[in-house]
Amino acid sequence: EVQLVESGGGLVQPGRSLRLSCTASGFTFGDYAMSWVRQAPGKGLEWVGFIRSKAYGGTTEYAASVKGRFTISRDDSKSIAYLQMNSLKTEDTAVYYCTLIDYWGQGTLVTVSS
Amino acid sequence: QAVVTQEPSLTVSPGGTVTLTCGSSTGAVTSGHYPYWFQQKPGQAPRTLIYDTSNKHSWTPARFSGSLLGGKAALTLSGAQPEDEAEYYCLLSYSGARPVFGGGTKLTVL
Repeated sequence: EVQLVESGGGLVQPGRSLRLSCTASGFTFGDYAMSWVRQAPGKGLEWVGFIRSKAYGGTTEYAASVKGRFTISRDDSKSIAYLQMNSLKTEDTAVYYCTLIDYWGQGTLVTVSS
Repeated sequence: QAVVTQEPSLTVSPGGTVTLTCGSSTGAVTSGHYPYWFQQKPGQAPRTLIYDTSNKHSWTPARFSGSLLGGKAALTLSGAQPEDEAEYYCLLSYSGARPVFGGGTKLTVL
C-alpha cells in the first residue's frame, strides 16, 4: 500500500525558514518523481514543484511563486522527499501535500505569521 | 503561465448526469496535456479519479468517466450519489513541465 506522510509543518514568522519532509512507503521510491502541492485556507490547489527520479536526472521544477525561495530534494536511501522553504511570506500559509499525483499524503499545515 | 478554467459550481440531482469541463488559455486541451481529475471533500486530501484523460484507478467509481470534449477535458458523472458532493479539480501538464491546476468546481448533489 502506497503511503505518503508529511511532517515538519507549524507556525513560523515571515522571513524565516522551514523544512517539510515526506516519508514514503509501499513503492520503489527512487523510481518516481515526487511533487509538492499546496492549498491556502479556503482556496484551490496550487502546484509548488517536483523533483524527477535519478533516472531522469533528479532535476527540479518550481512554480514561479516559489522559485528561488523553495528547494525540493530527495534521499532515495531513506525514501524521503524534502521541501526547504526559505524567506517565507504570509501568502505561503497553506496545507502542503506531498504527492505522486496518483497518490496523496494527508498534508501538513504551514502558518506564516508574526 | 497558462490559466486552466473550470466551472466554479454545478448542481446535479441524485441519479442525474453532469459534465465538468477543464479548459486551457493556450488553446484546445489535448491528450498531450495528460489531464488529471481529482476529488476533494472538506477536510480531506485530494483523491485522484482520472489520469491521462480517461484512465481510472482501481478506487474510481464506475460512474465517473473522463474524455476530451469540445477542446476541453471533461469529467462526466453518470448517476450522481450524495457522496459525490465535493470539489473537483483538473490538472494539465504543459511543455516545460510546469503543470497547472484549474480553480476547481464545487459540485452540489441536490
